[in-house]
Amino acid sequence: KNEVEQSPQNLTAQEGEFITINCSYSVGISALHWLQQHPGGGIVSLFMLSSGKKKHGRLIATINIQEKHSSLHITASHPRDSAVYICAVRAMEYGNKLVFGAGTILRVKS
Amino acid sequence: DTGVSQDPRHKITKRGQNVTFRCDPISEHNRLYWYRQTLGQGPEFLTYFQNEAQLEKSRLLSDRFSAERPKGSFSTLEIQRTEQGDSAMYLCASSLVPGTGGADTQYFGPGTRLTVL
Repeated sequence: KNEVEQSPQNLTAQEGEFITINCSYSVGISALHWLQQHPGGGIVSLFMLSSGKKKHGRLIATINIQEKHSSLHITASHPRDSAVYICAVRAMEYGNKLVFGAGTILRVKS
Repeated sequence: DTGVSQDPRHKITKRGQNVTFRCDPISEHNRLYWYRQTLGQGPEFLTYFQNEAQLEKSRLLSDRFSAERPKGSFSTLEIQRTEQGDSAMYLCASSLVPGTGGADTQYFGPGTRLTVL
């Protein structure tokens, strides 16, 4: 069983739609990261969360520590948001190393 | 600041050959990480350095894999006697040491895509 599970695995949306990507984890964590990976490999860190909610532009990330769950929301989605979104947790039982989910492939159609 | 760079970006090799990848981290970052990512999966931790010291190696890192960071700046990852199962994207990331006043954010390079024929 993976310590970090993401859903959905694949998501296709129309431009302008509100998008939610979910992440559940089964280990104790000190922080949770949302990352964006574009074709070709480059990974960019979007958010680091240890509690509550963060917002940056059209992106919102929330975390519920008790339920071991986080969500990434994209408002007014745009084709340039098309990428793989990866949830990663800093897992305390693994010496605070990052443990990654498999990613959610998002495609936004115009 | 040019960010984290990796070289080469793509490598095609025949089974049994040795390959070496290089990672240049962000200059003031003292931590450097190597990850492997196969198609459809998230990255998996391989090893990390703090300055020149290799502090941890994953069980995924077989004896054919070796990593160095001789001067605490750039790092190399060598795979000896490559196998088809080694085909993957090899990612490097760097960060400041968490809790030392630096941010706990890893900055990733573009990766080296290895194909073993």
